[in-house]
Amino acid sequence: IAGITQAPTSQILAAGRRMTLRCTQDMRHNAMYWYRQDLGLGLRLIHYSNTAGTTGKGEVPDGYSVSRANTDDFPLTLASAVPSQTSVYFCASSVGGEADTQYFGPGTRLTVL
Amino acid sequence: GQNIDQPTEMTATEGAIVQINCTYQTSGFNGLFWYQQHAGEAPTFLSYNVLDGLEEKGRFSSFLSRSKGYSYLLLKELQMKDSASYLCAVSSNDYKLSFGAGTTVTVRA
Repeated sequence: IAGITQAPTSQILAAGRRMTLRCTQDMRHNAMYWYRQDLGLGLRLIHYSNTAGTTGKGEVPDGYSVSRANTDDFPLTLASAVPSQTSVYFCASSVGGEADTQYFGPGTRLTVL
Repeated sequence: GQNIDQPTEMTATEGAIVQINCTYQTSGFNGLFWYQQHAGEAPTFLSYNVLDGLEEKGRFSSFLSRSKGYSYLLLKELQMKDSASYLCAVSSNDYKLSFGAGTTVTVRA
């Protein structure tokens, strides 16, 4: 693989269920990010990780958790999904440090019913 | 908080020029990015400005005025494939990106 991959591509989920969105990059980037994109609101940062072993909260972290056990993987977990979490989720990565370019994965379209 | 404004939609004719404006008010400034996003796809990097002035890259140019909190993306010789959303994003004090809602550009034949 080259770049960032996300899985699944799309998912329909019943409210209250637990769901993990997967993100893997092979560019050896230090920093990784999770965004959600909703119509009219643009991309909003959920959680981020500046390096393996560390994570931080973004603009809209409630209802989501992340882990960064290694450099390549950055899964996003919805512990108990709610309909307001219906969105398109993008994972991104960057070399890390100062204002560097973020590269985005193809996205996961999640519908919570 | 961060405030980034850009127009919602713009329409232009193939071969024409379109200018997409972006104004921002953020906690600190460490650069401004423009991304292109085709419908159903991921955002892809177009340009980065950290100093005042114009950066030209083929048919696309980006301008920054830090004192005015203002940037624009200029698309020249528009092609049908340029129909997409264009996202303005600012890197602030903590180096995190704050995105505008995006401008959808429609190119007509």
